[in-house]
Amino acid sequence: DAGVIQSPRHEVTEMGQEVTLRCKPISGHNSLFWYRQTMMRGLELLIYFNNNVPIDDSGMPEDRFSAKMPNASFSTLKIQPSEPRDSAVYFCASSFGANNEQFFGPGTRLTVL
Amino acid sequence: GQQLNQSPQSMFIQEGEDVSMNCTSSSIFNTWLWYKQDPGEGPVLLIALYKAGELTSNGRLTAQFGITRKDSFLNISASIPSDVGIYFCAGQRTSGTYKYIFGTGTRLKVLA
Repeated sequence: DAGVIQSPRHEVTEMGQEVTLRCKPISGHNSLFWYRQTMMRGLELLIYFNNNVPIDDSGMPEDRFSAKMPNASFSTLKIQPSEPRDSAVYFCASSFGANNEQFFGPGTRLTVL
Repeated sequence: GQQLNQSPQSMFIQEGEDVSMNCTSSSIFNTWLWYKQDPGEGPVLLIALYKAGELTSNGRLTAQFGITRKDSFLNISASIPSDVGIYFCAGQRTSGTYKYIFGTGTRLKVLA
């Protein structure tokens, strides 16, 4: 069975541009999480969806960040406009049940120039 | 964001040696997870622990859920070069939320 799929794996963009990160969770998993990883702050939870509904977006740093989950097999994280301080690795994770083990995707390394 | 304290932060060991690392918190947790992250990849789940005192193995890896529920330990026996990477603990609070708090990571380097 395929794991969590993320695209793109790498993204380099210029400040002010819109960035869209994509995630396909493991089939059958009903919980999806977006994380950001930096050297300074480690892994931070940005937003959590349960059954396609955003439950907690308190980790979203600013209004420039938005996330959607139109169906059980697809989610996007959008940054508009992007800034250099958004440079990080963004991970998507999914689980069967919110309290269970989370399985991570390979991540998207974002560089904003 | 809040992070769990992991120690050591990094370690160099010789191939064949055993490795121990731990994760501590001032809060009680009801679940502990241990992940390994290779360069350029996402964290991969190694072991999950659900009960205080639980000892669980996965090949050469053994992890324990501390009796106080405020700590967890990971041991790797007879290390090999492919054990290199960053090991993260993650704890889920007793309040039973979906949120896992992640440790600061232990970077392991194995010298052949």
